[in-house]
Amino acid sequence: EVQLVQSGGGLVKPGQSPRLSCRASGFIFGDFTMSWFRQAPGKGLEWVGFIRSNNYGGTTEYAASVKGRFSISRDDSKSIAYLQLNSLNGEDTAVYYCCKGARLYDYWGQGTLVIVSS
Amino acid sequence: VLTQTPLSLSVTPGQPASMSCQSSQSLLQSDEPTYLYWYLQKPGQPPQLLIYEASHRFSGVPDRFSGSGSGTHFTLQISRVEAEDVGVYYCMQSLQLPRTVGQGTRLDIK
Repeated sequence: EVQLVQSGGGLVKPGQSPRLSCRASGFIFGDFTMSWFRQAPGKGLEWVGFIRSNNYGGTTEYAASVKGRFSISRDDSKSIAYLQLNSLNGEDTAVYYCCKGARLYDYWGQGTLVIVSS
Repeated sequence: VLTQTPLSLSVTPGQPASMSCQSSQSLLQSDEPTYLYWYLQKPGQPPQLLIYEASHRFSGVPDRFSGSGSGTHFTLQISRVEAEDVGVYYCMQSLQLPRTVGQGTRLDIK
């Protein structure tokens, strides 16, 4: 059974740099791109970015709104994808979801809430 | 940009429902699938995949859900709405970067 279990997040102050984790099981993690989305309170879904499989160079792509501030990485030995959040502001308050895939997102994590507030 | 209509829908159980997703650019590319997807986000849950590549039901999705369309206009239909279908339906394109998502159609039950 495919599972994506997220951790990290919570209440953070502007300028803090939390790291979100997404632990995968039930599939060959290293073979898949891993993506991140977010959803501000009461709003729709926003694509954040993804990291390709190391079979495809392990390269990353980001939304313009987070490029240069957020960083996605992966540890295939642990089957974990990470989302490093830097230079946070109130507009980054959202539930962050990890999901499997680059085009078709067939499995999603449970989501983790990040609240940016002083 | 993906524009969904209507923004909300109220349907009696057992009745059909239909919603649309209009893309500002064609999602048609020769020799490629149409990278248009439909997701349902039930209250308090992450999104779940319903339809992939415009018209293919994902594994385990009831056959009352169907997707159609090509180019710039896509439709999700529910043949007979059930109470468990409430939530927000999103269309998403994965042809280009950045991935973009429609604003959602909220379905509730009368």
